[in-house]
This record gives sequence, structure tokens and C-alpha cells, in this order.
Amino acid sequence: DAKTTQPTSMDCAEGRAANLPCNHSTISGNEYVYWYRQIHSQGPQYIIHGLKNNETNEMASLIITEDRKSSTLILPHATLRDTAVYYCIVRVVQNAGNMLTFGGGTRLMVKP
Amino acid sequence: GAGVSQSPSNKVTEKGKDVELRCDPISGHTALYWYRQRLGQGLEFLIYFQGNSAPDKSGLPSDRFSAERTGESVSTLTIQRTQQEDSAVYLCASSLAAFTGLNSPLHFGNGTRLTVT
Repeated sequence: DAKTTQPTSMDCAEGRAANLPCNHSTISGNEYVYWYRQIHSQGPQYIIHGLKNNETNEMASLIITEDRKSSTLILPHATLRDTAVYYCIVRVVQNAGNMLTFGGGTRLMVKP
Repeated sequence: GAGVSQSPSNKVTEKGKDVELRCDPISGHTALYWYRQRLGQGLEFLIYFQGNSAPDKSGLPSDRFSAERTGESVSTLTIQRTQQEDSAVYLCASSLAAFTGLNSPLHFGNGTRLTVT
């Protein structure tokens, strides 16, 4: 799987948008970008994924650059419960060793 | 429906004892994964199952670790002769298939916290 680079930590004010960047400059054409988050003492939670087009669901939006070398996860109105470690992962779907490889992630702290 | 369920949620054992960790995946999910997470660290992949078969066991840390899955459902991770370095949260995840064009995301349980004293 392609390596990803994320900032170690970020702060965001409650009610504001949280924009979490991820660099994946070595991504291949068939690799998807996935985002997960892990709240303290819980298992990772799936947020969103995409290939080329921007995606939106009830939790977040995913913006992927045209060259696919980077992406941004957007939480439109961050709440205190969004405080977590956010993982950006690139994943080949059709791969005999098909598992997620988690990097260090970004620790997002939402402050009142 | 119910999510991925793991038991026990916490396990304290003495060094040298064997432990069994259980994972009940989401019904209908044919792929099942085990990860390990040491305190303050990222997730370390251990093994995955497609159906009842584990195509790749190279992620298991040592021959003290083994895993099996039956009925394309429940999986157990067994650690023999536990060592203090085995202390970690063991996470299980499931998905519709290990490799598919459907981009099935992984759904995780909340893990078993293993402490070896």
C-alpha cells in the first residue's frame, strides 16, 4: 500500500470546520483513499473513502486533488465528540494481502 | 444489526499462561481481520481470513500465536505461553470480502485489552 503522511496533531474550535490533510504522493491508479478515526478506548471507525471524485456522507466530505497525490477530510461542524486520532490509508482493493496498513494518524483536538 | 463483537473486553493473565480471544464478525461478512495495538501506538496487522482460510499468516509475531475461524463466522486468536510484550489491545474487524470491486470498508470491534503480568 502507498505510504501516507499526516500531521501529528491539529486543534479545531468547536462548531468550526476541521480540515485534515493527507499526502499520498506515491498512490497508484487503483488505490483507494480511506479515512478512519479512533476515539479513545474504541476500535477504529470507518468514515469515508474515495478513488478520484470528491465524496460526501453524513459524517464528512473527502476532497481528492486531481493528481490524487493528496486529499483532505472535512468535518463541517466539529463537535467535542470528534476528538480522536484520524487515519488516512490508501488501499488496493484487489490484493491478495488485502488489509489496511495504519500509519500514525492525526490527533485532532476539538476545543470549546 | 449488531457490529463486530469481541470477548472478553479485558483479560489479565500471568506470564506463561495461554489465552484465547474471541471475535464475532458482522453476519454475512466473509472477511475477518486481526490487529494488535500496543499502548500509544498504531495498529499492527496480524492475520486475515477469507471464509475459513487464512491465506497469509506472515503477520503473526511468533509461533506462539495462532488463529482459526469456523463456519465463516467466529474466530479465535490464541496466544500460548504469554509474555509481557504480548500486552496490547487486540482488535478484530470484518468486511464483506477481502478483495472485491465493491470497496467494502472494514468494521472494527472495540478490542480485547490483554495485560500479561
